[in-house]
Amino acid sequence: NAGVTQTPKFRVLKTGQSMTLLCAQDMNHEYMYWYRQDPGMGLRLIHYSVGEGTTAKGEVPDGYNVSRLKKQNFLLGLESAAPSQTSVYFCASGPSGANVLTFGAGSRLTVL
Amino acid sequence: EDQVTQSPEALRLQEGESSSLNCSYTVSGLRGLFWYRQDPGKGPEFLFTLYSAGEEKEKERLKATLTKKESFLHITAPKPEDSATYLCAVQASSSGSARQLTFGSGTQLTVLP
Repeated sequence: NAGVTQTPKFRVLKTGQSMTLLCAQDMNHEYMYWYRQDPGMGLRLIHYSVGEGTTAKGEVPDGYNVSRLKKQNFLLGLESAAPSQTSVYFCASGPSGANVLTFGAGSRLTVL
Repeated sequence: EDQVTQSPEALRLQEGESSSLNCSYTVSGLRGLFWYRQDPGKGPEFLFTLYSAGEEKEKERLKATLTKKESFLHITAPKPEDSATYLCAVQASSSGSARQLTFGSGTQLTVLP
């Protein structure tokens, strides 16, 4: 089992460009989450999904959009990237019957 | 607002030197407290879940404990391979069906041989 796979692992963008981060899980998990991790600030929740076709805002949703058209995939989009979105992004998934999350390896995004 | 504060920010130990990491939390009804380990360049990896004050969990050289205001991660006779950042997170009863976690900023542990 691959677990949670994030692509790409690294990306450099210019201010104003758009991009999509892909998260794929092969554990049939209902719940999926996107977090960002910045030095000294811990992981902060951007958006989450409690099932296929559903999405909701987390703590820091501004500037991001998400979609979950298929149960195994959770996409995070940046429509117009800003330097403040330079961060490491983590996707996580969890089953409906337990609270334990499985995280991906992260995607490091730099916005110039 | 749910808050999680971890201390110290960084800790350097000699191999075999036992110590504890602290996680203080403020939450409107605790559903669960979680400990994760994060190695450089990787995602967090689950260690423990604690649900009620007085509960303890152990795994190899690690032992997690929980009170009504804080949790401790005790590391007994650590080895260099225990070097990592340890993250604490809480899940509040108010999180409802979303079950989202609020994370602390972590303690970076370095164990010297």
